Amino acid sequence: KQEVTQIPAALSVPEGENLVLNCSFTDSAIYNLQWFRQDPGKGLTSLLLIQSSQREQTSGRLNASLDKSSGRSTLYIAASQPGDSATYLCAVASKYNTNAGKSTFGDGTTLTVKP
Amino acid sequence: EAGVVQSPRYKIIEKKQPVAFWCNPISGHNTLYWYLQNLGQGPELLIRYENEEAVDDSQLPKDRFSAERLKGVDSTLKIQPAELGDSAVYLCASSPGLAGGFYNEQFFGPGTRLTVL
Repeated sequence: KQEVTQIPAALSVPEGENLVLNCSFTDSAIYNLQWFRQDPGKGLTSLLLIQSSQREQTSGRLNASLDKSSGRSTLYIAASQPGDSATYLCAVASKYNTNAGKSTFGDGTTLTVKP
Repeated sequence: EAGVVQSPRYKIIEKKQPVAFWCNPISGHNTLYWYLQNLGQGPELLIRYENEEAVDDSQLPKDRFSAERLKGVDSTLKIQPAELGDSAVYLCASSPGLAGGFYNEQFFGPGTRLTVL
């Protein structure tokens, strides 16, 4: 059974700081890993999708990396802004057997960027 | 392009009452997901459809929950009867699905916040 862990559960940083959010998973047989952002009371917004054959993806100030062999992904946010304050979740889509295509989510890291 | 649409956004009911949630996925998306999200936790899959076929419903409490996706487009999730523990946010997501050996991005709707009193 796939398990996804995100540490830390909460993070507070001053504006302008570069930061890294972590995601680890137990089963490396995955189709992809997706990072999401969730604002309070809202649905999830897709940030980046990394396919299993890729090592990283970039969008603006965001860069996500994937190391399947170690079961880890990181989301790097450059020059953080107060508007980046939200909960960030990662999800992995499993590859085999009855779980093929099933996404397992971590519980997220709640980020607060202070002005 | 319209995103995933869900209704209602909020629902408050008494326990033992029935409730239904509706989801309209992004046009052309073959895969539709229903998730349950409790406060402070990540979404948990309830059911996944590929077109009109439920391919993964192992986490759906079938004694009280049911779902359908007629014609492979819109979907409805029903709870009957609702229990106090069903209070949560119910999220719908859609995806183009499996193509060329890759699963594509999931796109989420705003969710329905259910409160059972």
